[in-house]
Amino acid sequence: DAGVTQSPTHLIKTRGQQVTLRCSPKSGHDTVSWYQQALGQGPQFIFQYYEEEERQRGNFPDRFSGHQFPNYSSELNVNALLLGDSALYLCASSLTDWGWAQGQTEAFFGQGTRLTVV
Amino acid sequence: GESVGLHLPTLSVQEGDNSIINCAYSNSASDYFIWYKQESGKGPQFIIDIRSNMDKRQGQRVTVLLNKTVKHLSLQIAATQPGDSAVYFCAGDSGGYQKVTFGTGTKLQVIP
Repeated sequence: DAGVTQSPTHLIKTRGQQVTLRCSPKSGHDTVSWYQQALGQGPQFIFQYYEEEERQRGNFPDRFSGHQFPNYSSELNVNALLLGDSALYLCASSLTDWGWAQGQTEAFFGQGTRLTVV
Repeated sequence: GESVGLHLPTLSVQEGDNSIINCAYSNSASDYFIWYKQESGKGPQFIIDIRSNMDKRQGQRVTVLLNKTVKHLSLQIAATQPGDSAVYFCAGDSGGYQKVTFGTGTKLQVIP
């Protein structure tokens, strides 16, 4: 099992450009969440996708959007990049199990995509 | 929303000693807490979790304690090893497992 895989691992973009990051969840997982982690900080929740729809969202502007595909993989899109968008973007996958008390099983994180905006 | 914070940014311990990493949270509605370990260049790795109806939970060499009265939780690592060197995050959840709020992190340095 490859676990959660993210691509690309590193990316450099110019301010104002758009970027797409990709995530393949762990086998058997149907829920994908995205986090932004600035240097020296903890991850900040961006949003979560389940059944191809955005289920929850953190305090991020509409420039941040996403998509989940029928195979449960997901994309994170960021438009009109700002210098402050430079960060490590993490994808986490889990299984939504409504028979489980907490609703979701343990989340597994990918290695992240390091985005640098210049 | 949830706000969690860690008491110390860096913790240095001697190999073989026990480590204690502390965390405070602000949202009384939080019903689930998770500790993550993040090594350099890697994503966070789940260590242990605890629900608000519990005071203590033990795993392999790790114990999490939850004190709801003072909104505090701690992670204890027994017989700390060099491989335990990493940044540790506590995270709180108040209703959606993955919509968690992470603290800033504590860097654990193990001295050989």
